[in-house]
This record gives sequence, structure tokens and C-alpha cells, in this order.
Amino acid sequence: EDKVVQSPLSLVVHEGDTVTLNCSYEVTNFRSLLWYKQEKKAPTFLFMLTSSGIEKKSGRLSSILDKKELFSILNITATQTGDSAIYLCAVDYTHTGTASKLTFGTGTRLQVTL
Amino acid sequence: ETGVTQSPTHLIKTRGQQVTLRCSSQSGHNTVSWYQQALGQGPQFIFQYYREEENGRGNFPPRFSGLQFPNYSSELNVNALELDDSALYLCASSAGQGYTDTQYFGPGTRLTVL
Repeated sequence: EDKVVQSPLSLVVHEGDTVTLNCSYEVTNFRSLLWYKQEKKAPTFLFMLTSSGIEKKSGRLSSILDKKELFSILNITATQTGDSAIYLCAVDYTHTGTASKLTFGTGTRLQVTL
Repeated sequence: ETGVTQSPTHLIKTRGQQVTLRCSSQSGHNTVSWYQQALGQGPQFIFQYYREEENGRGNFPPRFSGLQFPNYSSELNVNALELDDSALYLCASSAGQGYTDTQYFGPGTRLTVL
């Protein structure tokens, strides 16, 4: 059975700290790994990773994929209270050229305090 | 904002009733996927519609059914509602093909079954 496991489940940090969120996966067919941020309802797309070792960056957020060890990390530097959210990791397990289907982890709840 | 819209925002039903949820996909997208997100969990894949045909289904009973219309908007129908159907229902649209296919989520419908 396809599985995506995120850790930690929950995290409380102070503003300015750096955090690392983890995602490991076991799927029968891997196409890509995606990170989403969910604040209230709609998950918001952050990154899509398809190749090992290539870091994706967007402002203070960055992510990298290791396809050999089957995991990804999401880093947030200089955290702000606006980073407080649930961070979801998902794996697309469909074949290239077809519509994607996602298996999600349970998410990491991040709370950034002043 | 992603351009994916859902209605209604909230809904309260009683056990045994039927419900219809609606989703309008982002312009240019021909694929809609539906997910159920229970409290404290990641989204679970219900099914996907690609060019008006069902294109894969998760582990949900037949009382969960759907439709996609020629304009690629979609409906999720749930019959004989059970208490455990209380959840946030998310739809996501994507372009449906290609090397990478990113799903963009709508704001969701919060369903409460009493």
C-alpha cells in the first residue's frame, strides 16, 4: 500500500527560528513529490520535486528530494508568525503523461510564536 | 488564489440524507480530483474526472459518486450520509497530462453530518 509519512506531527518554534519538516514515502510508482501549505481550508501549492538533489527555493522556503532514500525535507528559515499552518506532503503516483493522483501524509502542524 | 471555486462553503445534513457538492476548475484545466479531509488527517483521494470520464477511484464506497460536465466543472454526490462523512471536501483541478501535472485546490466545503 502506498504510504507517505510526515514528521514531526506538530512543532512549536519562536519567530526567527529555522525549521525542517520531513516527508518519507513508499509508493509503487513515483512521479513527483509536492509540498502544500494549508492555513484554513485550501492547500496552497509550494513546490513540486521530481529529481534528486536539486533544491527548490522560494524566499525563505526551500525543499529537496532524495529518490534513493525516498524522502524529502522542507526548510523554513527566519520563521514568521504567518508561517503558522499545516504543511502537507503528497506524492504523485501516476505515470508521466497522465493526470496526476496524489497520496498525502497527515501533515505537520507548525506554530510560530512571538 | 487558484481560480478553483467550490460551493457551498458549509453544509449541515442529517444521517441518511443525500448531498451534492460543486467545483469549478481553473481555466484551461480538464481534470478534477476530489478529496476528503477528516479532522487532523491529510486529504484522502476519492476519485478523479478527466474529460468527463471517471479516471481512477480511491477506497470509497459506491455511495460516493461524481460527474464532470463539458465545461469541466464537477459534482460530488454522497448518498445515505453517515456521521463519519463529516469532513472538509476539497476539489483540485489540473491540466491532466504532461511530464508534470500540478493540482491546485479550491477552498473546500465543510460538511457536518448530525
